[in-house]
Amino acid sequence: ETGVTQSPTHLIKTRGQQVTLRCSSQSGHNTVSWYQQALGQGPQFIFQYYREEENGRGNFPPRFSGLQFPNYSSELNVNALELDDSALYLCASSHRDSADTQYFGPGTRLTVL
Amino acid sequence: QKEVEQNSGPLSVPEGAIASLNCTYSDRGSQSFFWYRQYSGKSPELIMFIYSNGDKEDGRFTAQLNKASQYVSLLIRDSQPSDSATYLCAVTRSGSARQLTFGSGTQLTVLP
Repeated sequence: ETGVTQSPTHLIKTRGQQVTLRCSSQSGHNTVSWYQQALGQGPQFIFQYYREEENGRGNFPPRFSGLQFPNYSSELNVNALELDDSALYLCASSHRDSADTQYFGPGTRLTVL
Repeated sequence: QKEVEQNSGPLSVPEGAIASLNCTYSDRGSQSFFWYRQYSGKSPELIMFIYSNGDKEDGRFTAQLNKASQYVSLLIRDSQPSDSATYLCAVTRSGSARQLTFGSGTQLTVLP
């Protein structure tokens, strides 16, 4: 069974740029959620995708957007990067029938200078 | 009031002791409860989940849930230095998006 994978591992961008992060869900999982984790804090929910549709969204501005593809992989796009966007971005996958039980990928560490 | 609260620690216990980690939540509509372990620089790893009042045991780990008191705990028996990590409590509520709401985590150090 293949676990959740994310790319890239690390990324450095400058303020105002745009970034795309990628996630492949665990085999058999059809739901993908994205979280942002600032240093010393718990992860915060950004949004969730199921059947290629956004299925819920946390308190994040519209410059955070996403996609889910037919193979259940997903992208997180962030436009107009701000310094506060520097964080660990986590993708979690789950099966719709047990959507509460989410398994995280290794994360992408984004630094905005 | 935060939705999910944990003592930030650090919590130190000697090797072989029982480590007790606590979490309270504010939303009575919370349905599912999770404990994740996060090593420094790594992503969260699911170690336990519990849905019903009472205890649930898995190896050295026991999760305890008391919905009336809005309290969930994690006990780690025979603590090992490899258990040293941050432990994150998370809850979900009913609804179409089963988002996890996390506490800030408790840092546990097991001393050899």
